[in-house]
Amino acid sequence: GAVVSQHPSWVICKSGTSVKIECRSLDFQATTMFWYRQFPKQSLMLMATSNEGSKATYEQGVEKDKFLINHASLTLSTLTVTSAHPEDSSFYICSAPQIGTVDVAYGYTFGSGTRLTVV
Amino acid sequence: QQPVQSPQAVILREGEDAVINCSSSKALYSVHWYRQKHGEAPVFLMILLKGGEQKGHEKISASFNEKKQQSSLYLTASQLSYSGTYFCGTANTNAGKSTFGDGTTLTVKP
Repeated sequence: GAVVSQHPSWVICKSGTSVKIECRSLDFQATTMFWYRQFPKQSLMLMATSNEGSKATYEQGVEKDKFLINHASLTLSTLTVTSAHPEDSSFYICSAPQIGTVDVAYGYTFGSGTRLTVV
Repeated sequence: QQPVQSPQAVILREGEDAVINCSSSKALYSVHWYRQKHGEAPVFLMILLKGGEQKGHEKISASFNEKKQQSSLYLTASQLSYSGTYFCGTANTNAGKSTFGDGTTLTVKP
């Protein structure tokens, strides 16, 4: 089945530094990748939608300059948290439509998530 | 708009049944269900499309009532492995992003 590989699984960084999270679709082409953030015991909150070959679409309230998204190829999307602060500590998860198109009719495959801790 | 899930939490004994509901105030194109174990990413269970689908796999099934804009997930004869947080995700169109409910925490005890 469709697999999305997300790295790293966890990262601890110092306040003010930047962290890059990668999501790769291993056996399909992901023209679209969704990025979520999840705080403890809360739901998944959509941050942005990345599209291969075009700019990402950010949800209201998400800072574009802080959360840089790049969809470099049909199999790779990255999220960079710039100048991270302790309040950015969270579980970040990517997901892609299972058949590589934007149509949600086929469900989503999630990456394994990245737990970011900013100290 | 975020769908509303109920109940927020449920505790069962192994072998008991459970129902988790997901409702939306907007017309839905699709509803999908996920289970998330603590510290892990959500795992896709199933998706239902408008038209009043019902689906099932082994002892987990779901229905989608398009008119009522709601879906229910049925867990029959629950197993210990069913424990986790169940999320429903809803989409209003076929094009892209979904919104997730706050989740229902299911605990199955021996």
